[in-house]
Amino acid sequence: GAGVSQSPSNKVTEKGKDVELRCDPISGHTALYWYRQSLGQGLEFLIYFQGNSAPDKSGLPSDRFSAERTGGSVSTLTIQRTQQEDSAVYLCASSPPPLGRGTQYFGPGTRLLVL
Amino acid sequence: SQQGEEDPQALSIQEGENATMNCSYKTSINNLQWYRQNSGRGLVHLILIRSNEREKHSGRLRVTLDTSKKSSSLLITASRAADTASYFCATVAQGAQKLVFGQGTRLTINP
Repeated sequence: GAGVSQSPSNKVTEKGKDVELRCDPISGHTALYWYRQSLGQGLEFLIYFQGNSAPDKSGLPSDRFSAERTGGSVSTLTIQRTQQEDSAVYLCASSPPPLGRGTQYFGPGTRLLVL
Repeated sequence: SQQGEEDPQALSIQEGENATMNCSYKTSINNLQWYRQNSGRGLVHLILIRSNEREKHSGRLRVTLDTSKKSSSLLITASRAADTASYFCATVAQGAQKLVFGQGTRLTINP
């Protein structure tokens, strides 16, 4: 079946602009995660959804970052007023019920470059 | 901030040799997972070992877990050029769902 998909694959934006990154999880997966990977910080957790609610937002680096999930499926990560330090690969993952903690299936990522 | 540390940061071996990577972590865990990443993009899950398990095998992969030392190792036997990639360990803490990643080991298999 189809894996986790993310769009766009690459995004170049100017400092100060807003960006939206999209994640389509594997059908039936109730848990969805966002991570980011940058040279300086490695792989970092951002936010976790169980259904449409986000019980763990502890990794969002600032209030410029927000995410939502609708219909227990697609998720959008929004970065407002982008800064150069936001440049990174943003990875989405999903995992099947009943709970997280198991194998996570990753999408190919969105490479964001803020000029 | 990341919880885990991996050792070595980079490893280069000849095809056919075995590769061993080590991972240490800091808190009590529910499970530990190993992932592979090619070309800096999506991660592929390799193996999951639960906190009450000590060893697990999957094909050419062997993972050990020592919760008393808070460490794990990944052994890849009879390495192939296609094994060239970055390998990350990731832990799921007790009561949590998120993965906390180590810094990764860059493995190069020379033909």
